[in-house]
Amino acid sequence: DAKTTQPTSMDCAEGRAANLPCNHSTISGNEYVYWYRQIHSQGPQYIIHGLKNNETNEMASLIITEDRKSSTLILPHATLRDTAVYYCIVRPQASYGNKLVFGAGTILRVKS
Amino acid sequence: DGGITQSPKYLFRKEGQNVTLSCEQNLNHDAMYWYRQDPGQGLRLIYYSQIVNDFQKGDIAEGYSVSREKKESFPLTVTSAQKNPTAFYLCASSMQSDTQYFGPGTRLTVL
Repeated sequence: DAKTTQPTSMDCAEGRAANLPCNHSTISGNEYVYWYRQIHSQGPQYIIHGLKNNETNEMASLIITEDRKSSTLILPHATLRDTAVYYCIVRPQASYGNKLVFGAGTILRVKS
Repeated sequence: DGGITQSPKYLFRKEGQNVTLSCEQNLNHDAMYWYRQDPGQGLRLIYYSQIVNDFQKGDIAEGYSVSREKKESFPLTVTSAQKNPTAFYLCASSMQSDTQYFGPGTRLTVL
């Protein structure tokens, strides 16, 4: 699986957009970009995933660069409850038992 | 409500005892997974199962055992052979090889 690089931590003001970057320069053509987050002492929560096109759902937007070497997760209006560790993961879609490799992630602190 | 449940939330075990962690899902997912998370670290795959009565070892299967007798259930037994069992255990499920969804986790502490 391709490795990902994320900043260690970020701060965001409540109500503002949180933009979390991820570099995945060795991503392969069949690998998707997934984002999860983990609030302290809870299980990881799936946020969004994409292959080439930008994606949006009720939680967030995912912007993937044209060369697919990096992406940005956008939380449009961050709240205090969005404070968590955010993980960017790349993996092939069709892969049973292909474990999710969680790196260190980005600690996002939303402040009032 | 559809989802994945794990019980108990907290579990304490004496050294030398086996203990079984429960994982149930009502999402009709084919695949189920067990991960272990240690403080400040990422998740490591213990076992996974694609279909009923079939399962494969992950990266750290030693000292653990599983069964998959029903589609909705994938219990994990932490045996006395597991040298450092204190950790946060996470169960996940997915439809075939699709997105994995996680349960709330069980925190196991060996006394």
